[in-house]
Formats: sequence, C-alpha cells, structure tokens
Amino acid sequence: DVKVTQSSRYLVKRTGEKVFLECVQDMDHENMFWYRQDPGLGLRLIYFSYDVKMKEKGDIPEGYSVSREKKERFSLILESASTNQTSMYLCASLGALNTGELFFGEGSRLTVL
Amino acid sequence: AQSVTQLDSQVPVFEEAPVELRCNYSSSVSVYLFWYVQYPNQGLQLLLKYLSGSTLVKGINGFEAEFNKSQTSFHLRKPSVHISDTAEYFCAVAKSSGDKLTFGTGTRLAVRP
Repeated sequence: DVKVTQSSRYLVKRTGEKVFLECVQDMDHENMFWYRQDPGLGLRLIYFSYDVKMKEKGDIPEGYSVSREKKERFSLILESASTNQTSMYLCASLGALNTGELFFGEGSRLTVL
Repeated sequence: AQSVTQLDSQVPVFEEAPVELRCNYSSSVSVYLFWYVQYPNQGLQLLLKYLSGSTLVKGINGFEAEFNKSQTSFHLRKPSVHISDTAEYFCAVAKSSGDKLTFGTGTRLAVRP
C-alpha cells in the first residue's frame, strides 16, 4: 500500500520558534508537495519539489522554506513561527504522471502561541 | 491560471437521499479534474478523476461525476448517501496529469439519519 507519513500529528510551538515538519513517502515518487489547509480556504500550495534538491514556490511560500535531500523525504521549515501560521499542514506525493493522483499524509496540526 | 469554485460550503442531507456537490472551474487550456474526500482527522484520498475519454466518471463508494466542458463544471453525485459519507469533499483542477493541483475551498457533506 502507498504510504505518506507525517512524523507529527499535533504540534504546539511558540512565536519565533523554528519548526520542522517532516514527510516521508515509500513509493519512490519524484514529485512531492506541501499544502496548508484552513477552514473556508481549502488547500493552498506552499512549496513543491520535482526531484531531489529541487524546489518550486507554490501560491503562498512566504514564511516557509523546504528541504529535499533524499527522494523519499520532503521537509517544511518555518524559520520563525508566527500565530498566522497556525494551521493544518498536508504533505502529498504524486503517483504515476498519467494518473495525476496525489497521495496524502494524515496531516500535521500546528498551533503557534 | 486555473481556478476552482465550490459554491456550497455545507450540504446537509438525509440518509438515502440523493446528493449533488457542485464544482465549476476556469481555465484557458484543457484541464484534468479531480474529486478528493477527507474523512474526519484524516488526509485526503482520491474519489475519482477525469483525464480524458468518457465525460461520465465513476469513482469509489458509489460516487460519479460528469465533465461538462460547455458549462465548465464537474459536479459530483451520489444517488443514495450513507451516514459514512459524512466528510469534506474537494474539487481540484490541473493543466496536465503531472501538474500541481489547484483545489477548491471544499464542501462539507453532513448526512443525517
């Protein structure tokens, strides 16, 4: 079975802290994505990566960075967390290109106090 | 750039009644269309997709959707819903099967006994 694992389901951090959200997929997929989910706003793309060490900005990259050192791992980094980054963060990887199907992790709910 | 509109943020319905969740998109190029479902406290999973071919697409759990190019719509339907269909449903569009997805704001389906 396809599996995308997000290491932390729930995190509570303080304003100004550095936050790492980790995502690992076991399907040898090349394309990985980080989305943010907020009520009434749906999913918004933060960053994505087509290959190791490659990254592209999505629609809302401000305040975030990413790291893709290995094919299976895609990390989202909040250099200095702020309260407006309190949200649900979803990682996904893209299956075979001709199917277009995204496989999602269960999400990481981050609260910044 | 493409965009997706889900006009209904919430749809209450009684068990065994039919349901339609509406999705309209805008794009200047050919599109690929998807419906994803998110059950409580879980990530998203693919319900169905339209890449090409027949405009009536059948998915999992008895759902189907029809691609209507002239009306730029991709509405999701089920003839008889169950309590277990209570979830949030997201419509998404991409320019190609390997492109990043743009999601709508979601529709929360609440099935009542």
